[in-house]
Amino acid sequence: GAGVSQSPRYKVAKRGQDVALRCDPISGHVSLFWYQQALGQGPEFLTYFQNEAQLDKSGLPSDRFFAERPEGSVSTLKIQRTQQEDSAVYLCASSLQGDTDTQYFGPGTRLTVL
Amino acid sequence: AQTVTQSQPEMSVQEAETVTLSCTYDTSESDYYLFWYKQPPSRQMILVIRQEAYKQQNATENRFSVNFQKAAKSFSLKISDSQLGDAAMYFCAYRSQGNKLVFGAGTILRVKS
Repeated sequence: GAGVSQSPRYKVAKRGQDVALRCDPISGHVSLFWYQQALGQGPEFLTYFQNEAQLDKSGLPSDRFFAERPEGSVSTLKIQRTQQEDSAVYLCASSLQGDTDTQYFGPGTRLTVL
Repeated sequence: AQTVTQSQPEMSVQEAETVTLSCTYDTSESDYYLFWYKQPPSRQMILVIRQEAYKQQNATENRFSVNFQKAAKSFSLKISDSQLGDAAMYFCAYRSQGNKLVFGAGTILRVKS
């Protein structure tokens, strides 16, 4: 595709509900990243995939957060039993390879937990 | 752990004038990359400019240029001939061999007509 796409763009969940956020990277991009951006702050790293392998999940804030990329393309970030502090914009980025390539970002999913 | 500091929460510039956004970072690594990203209100993060730490020459992209001072761990962004479309949140970011980006808190740039 022309760019990174994410869906849904907006998600409202009641506290305790599970949510799934989708990311479609740029076609052919090997690396995929998830970031969390709280209101008025810079994005913070959550996790990183190279193809289907999750190489770094050090930024996931709790075991309620889970990410997968089973076929090395589309990725899903799942949050179980959502809490109010999970409210944020979730950004996905992809890059052609890893070390030397620029990360291109999607528009993000704004999650609001009531 | 690497950290990125943007000390200017907000900056204003008159249209057609020049503005400089500041960024400092802390790292013990010698090989890394630095970036400036722009995030308009629509939220899509757009790459403005990148700098490889091993390059001494400052990167430039049209009206955008950086002043990279490796010893001082400083990486400022200069926007020349500012335009209304430059108004956005600007983030400085650091990327190490681990690939993840570490962002600063951002600087809101307002452009006055």
